[in-house]
Amino acid sequence: KNEVEQSPQNLTAQEGEFITINCSYSVGISALHWLQQHPGGGIVSLFMLSSGKKKHGRLIATINIQEKHSSLHITASHPRDSAVYICAAGGSRLTFGEGTQLTVNP
Amino acid sequence: DAGVIQSPRHEVTEMGQEVTLRCKPISGHDYLFWYRQTMMRGLELLIYFNNNVPIDDSGMPEDRFSAKMPNASFSTLKIQPSEPRDSAVYFCASSYVGPNNEQYFGPGTRLTVT
Repeated sequence: KNEVEQSPQNLTAQEGEFITINCSYSVGISALHWLQQHPGGGIVSLFMLSSGKKKHGRLIATINIQEKHSSLHITASHPRDSAVYICAAGGSRLTFGEGTQLTVNP
Repeated sequence: DAGVIQSPRHEVTEMGQEVTLRCKPISGHDYLFWYRQTMMRGLELLIYFNNNVPIDDSGMPEDRFSAKMPNASFSTLKIQPSEPRDSAVYFCASSYVGPNNEQYFGPGTRLTVT
């Protein structure tokens, strides 16, 4: 069993749909990170959170420390949101999930 | 700021050759990370530095891999000798204050060892 597990592995949505990507972890953490990897390969940090909820534009990240679970939500999805979304958990050393490939069709 | 800079962007080499990957972190960032990404294993931390000092190198796969950070603006990851299984994308990232802060990733170096 991986220390950081994401679901689903692949997700296809229609433009405008609400999207949820889940992340469960078994490692102790100081913070949980959500990353976005573009089709060209570049990686961008979306969120870093240790409690509660954060929002940036159409993206919302939540974390439940007791349940060791985090979710990334995308509201009003758009084709430009198509990317791989990666969850990473840990303290000084991050452990990464396998990523969720999101495709948003127009 | 130009962001994290990595060179080369692509490297193709033959098995047994030495490979050196380079990274320039964002100015003022005192943490630097080297990651490897493969289809089989995803993203893995290889090593990270704080104020130019290696803090955790437990992810370095074997003695063929070495990393240095001679000053705050430059780091290298060297593979000698290279093997086909080293083929991967190598990312460098930097952060300010601590490893639990937002990390800024470079564009990566795609290494192919034939």
